[in-house]
Amino acid sequence: EAGVTQFPSHSVIEKGQTVTLRCDPISGHDNLYWYRRVMGKEIKFLLHFVKESKQDESGMPNNRFLAERTGGTYSTLKVQPAELEDSGVYFCASSQVTEYNSPLHFGNGTRLTVT
Amino acid sequence: RKEVEQDPGPFNVPEGATVAFNCTYSNSASQSFFWYRQDCRKEPKLLMSVYSSGNEDGRFTAQLNRASQYISLLIRDSKLSDSATYLCVVKGLTGGGNKLTFGTGTQLKVEL
Repeated sequence: EAGVTQFPSHSVIEKGQTVTLRCDPISGHDNLYWYRRVMGKEIKFLLHFVKESKQDESGMPNNRFLAERTGGTYSTLKVQPAELEDSGVYFCASSQVTEYNSPLHFGNGTRLTVT
Repeated sequence: RKEVEQDPGPFNVPEGATVAFNCTYSNSASQSFFWYRQDCRKEPKLLMSVYSSGNEDGRFTAQLNRASQYISLLIRDSKLSDSATYLCVVKGLTGGGNKLTFGTGTQLKVEL
């Protein structure tokens, strides 16, 4: 079974540019999450999709971040325009069910550097 | 105050030692608890869930004290391969019950 895959693995962009991160969850997983780790800080929740619907987007930092999951399969997270403080590792995770103890499977992450 | 607090370490221990990590969480309404392991520049991976009665998986033992809002992880007979960052994770702090809240992690280095 293929795991959660993320693309690109690394991205270096200049302040003001746009970047789009992609996540392919494990096949059949309706739940898809985006998390972010900024340097020196803990991993923080960004948002949660159930199929194509946004279940919870309370962690999105501001309106420069736009997440989509058209068709309920892969998801994209766009940052436009990027700022220096957006640098960090963006993790995607998926799970099959939403029961309280269902494990999340994380992707390898996209390391974003904004210069 | 952080929602989930951990000692960042590092904990440097010799191979074969027993080491314990602690974690406290701020919201008494938290639903479920986990330890994740993260290797350098890798994704977090679930190590084990933590149950109220305590649970064991091989050399790893997890304990939960709801009254003190405290979670622990004990690693016995440490191996070099146990070197990693151990993340205390709590679910159900705010809003929906599926949002994970992470601690900053405790770094473990097992040495020869």
